[in-house]
Amino acid sequence: DAGVIQSPRHEVTEMGQEVTLRCKPISGHNSLFWYRQTMMRGLELLIYFNNNVPIDDSGMPEDRFSAKMPNASFSTLKIQPSEPRDSAVYFCASSFRASRGGNTIYFGEGSWLTVV
Amino acid sequence: AQKVTQAQTEISVVEKEDVTLDCVYETRDTTYYLFWYKQPPSGELVFLIRRNSFDEQNEISGRYSWNFQKSTSSFNFTITASQVVDSAVYFCALSMKDSSASKIIFGSGTRLSIRP
Repeated sequence: DAGVIQSPRHEVTEMGQEVTLRCKPISGHNSLFWYRQTMMRGLELLIYFNNNVPIDDSGMPEDRFSAKMPNASFSTLKIQPSEPRDSAVYFCASSFRASRGGNTIYFGEGSWLTVV
Repeated sequence: AQKVTQAQTEISVVEKEDVTLDCVYETRDTTYYLFWYKQPPSGELVFLIRRNSFDEQNEISGRYSWNFQKSTSSFNFTITASQVVDSAVYFCALSMKDSSASKIIFGSGTRLSIRP
């Protein structure tokens, strides 16, 4: 089975440009997560969706960040305008949320973003 | 508040030594789940194990073993006869059940280096 698929794997962009990261979750999974990883802050949960609905976006750093999940098989994380401090690895992850909770989440390979 | 503490930032051992990675968690929930993930130098996050709060039985998988002790709120990970391929950052994580979806909180990770 295909895992979580993210694109692009690597992106270098100039400050001020719009960046769009894409994610295809594992088929059948109903929860989707966006994480950011930096040396300074480790793994941070930015936002997560359940059944395509955003549940908690308290981790989204500021209004420059937005995330959408128009259907069960696709999500985007957009940064507009981008800044050098946004440079990080952005992971998408998905899980099947059972009623008892404790679902295991599976990560994509990450999108390595560099803003210069 | 929920929190995961991995006090060991970096560990370096010689190949074939046993090594234990510590994980201490905090939660007020009676139902929770604990995880370990591995992040090798290639960057992806690989799921290793999930444990629920009602199952304190230790688990062994090949050279890997996990010791879950609710009395000390710990979920430690031991690698026996370590190999160079075990070199990675290892993350302990905690998940609680909430009303809509389960999100996972990660520790800061322990960087394990296995020297030949």
